[in-house]
Amino acid sequence: DVKVTQSSRYLVKRTGEKVFLECVQDMDHENMFWYRQDPGLGLRLIYFSYDVKMKEKGDIPEGYSVSREKKERFSLILESASTNQTSMYLCASSANREKLFFGSGTQLSVL
Amino acid sequence: EDKVVQSPLSLVVHEGDTVTLNCSYEVTNFRSLLWYKQEKKAPTFLFMLTSSGIEKKSGRLSSILDKKELFSILNITATQTGDSAIYLCAVVKGDDKIIFGKGTRLHILP
Repeated sequence: DVKVTQSSRYLVKRTGEKVFLECVQDMDHENMFWYRQDPGLGLRLIYFSYDVKMKEKGDIPEGYSVSREKKERFSLILESASTNQTSMYLCASSANREKLFFGSGTQLSVL
Repeated sequence: EDKVVQSPLSLVVHEGDTVTLNCSYEVTNFRSLLWYKQEKKAPTFLFMLTSSGIEKKSGRLSSILDKKELFSILNITATQTGDSAIYLCAVVKGDDKIIFGKGTRLHILP
């Protein structure tokens, strides 16, 4: 069975902290994505990666960076967390840039 | 500007009812339309539609795409409490960009 694993289900951080959200997929997919999901706004794409060491900005990359050193792992980094980054973060992977497989999400609260 | 609009935003029905969820889109270079179900956290894939008029079916769920009128519907018959979820529609463009709608929150009353 397809599996996308996000390291934390719930995370509480303080303003200004550096935050790492990890995502691992076991399907050998080339494409990986980070979304955030907020009530009334739906899913918004932060960053995506089509290959190891490659990254592309999505619709809302400000305040975020990513790292893809290995094919199976895609990390989202909040360099200096702010309260407006409190959100549900969803990682996804895809073989064909079409059908996405999602992780269970990380609910991040920044205080 | 590309957009995907789902309606209604929320819906409450009784168990056993049939529901129809709508997804309309305005995008350049349409490639496919996807439906997902999101219960607790992870959205799970339901259907991918690429051709007009061909119904996709899985149990009590079915979906169809109209590329002329630029919309899709998701039907759920004989609803059960386990169908309570957020249903997401997404459109994939030819340049691989995926645009999600805001979702329809469905609540089934026992």
